[in-house]
Amino acid sequence: EPEVTQTPSHQVTQMGQEVILRCVPISNHLYFYWYRQILGQKVEFLVSFYNNEISEKSEIFDDQFSVERPDGSNFTLKIRSTKLEDSAMYFCASSGNPGRQIWNTEAFFGQGTRLTVV
Amino acid sequence: AQSVAQPEDQVKVAEGNPLTVKCTYSVSGNPYLFWYVQYPNRGLQFLLKYITGDNLVKGSYGFEAEFNKSQTSFHLKKPSALVSDSALYFCAVRDSSSASKIIFGSGTRLSIRP
Repeated sequence: EPEVTQTPSHQVTQMGQEVILRCVPISNHLYFYWYRQILGQKVEFLVSFYNNEISEKSEIFDDQFSVERPDGSNFTLKIRSTKLEDSAMYFCASSGNPGRQIWNTEAFFGQGTRLTVV
Repeated sequence: AQSVAQPEDQVKVAEGNPLTVKCTYSVSGNPYLFWYVQYPNRGLQFLLKYITGDNLVKGSYGFEAEFNKSQTSFHLKKPSALVSDSALYFCAVRDSSSASKIIFGSGTRLSIRP
């Protein structure tokens, strides 16, 4: 069964450093997302991406964050100048097959990257 | 703007008893509703969805959910709980007027005692 894969599973970084979280969405999906979850609590929407551009972003997704689809398979989240409060589990997701309406389809999630900022 | 509320942080049920996990939503367009489950240190796993049609939808592991438009609710149910159902459950909504994001509720921890 196709799945979303994320690397690394755990990333430790020093405050102020830049990190890149990587994701390989399901191959024929059209929409890509990043979410974060702090301490097993609420799952917060960060950004959605479609047709090589940001479709929608939350107020959390400020200039510190950026996303990119550098090739046909990877989808990355870059966090610049990390802060202690960026420590969280970051989930990538994808949805939307060609020929189907986006709102009919559920999002499939990866296993997450646990980011720890020290 | 869309939003989802899960009024119960935790639900405790004895094994074999029916369970209900509550969810209410608010959208400006048509709601597309989802339930996900999260096991410890794992990602979110899709359980079921309501898009249109029959108000009672059936999903994985014997779970079902009932869409109630007048009460703007989408409660998750199971007739007979298993200990293995213990996990964190999230209700989520996609608003047809803002289809590019899914918003999640705060989650409900379901604990099934033997």
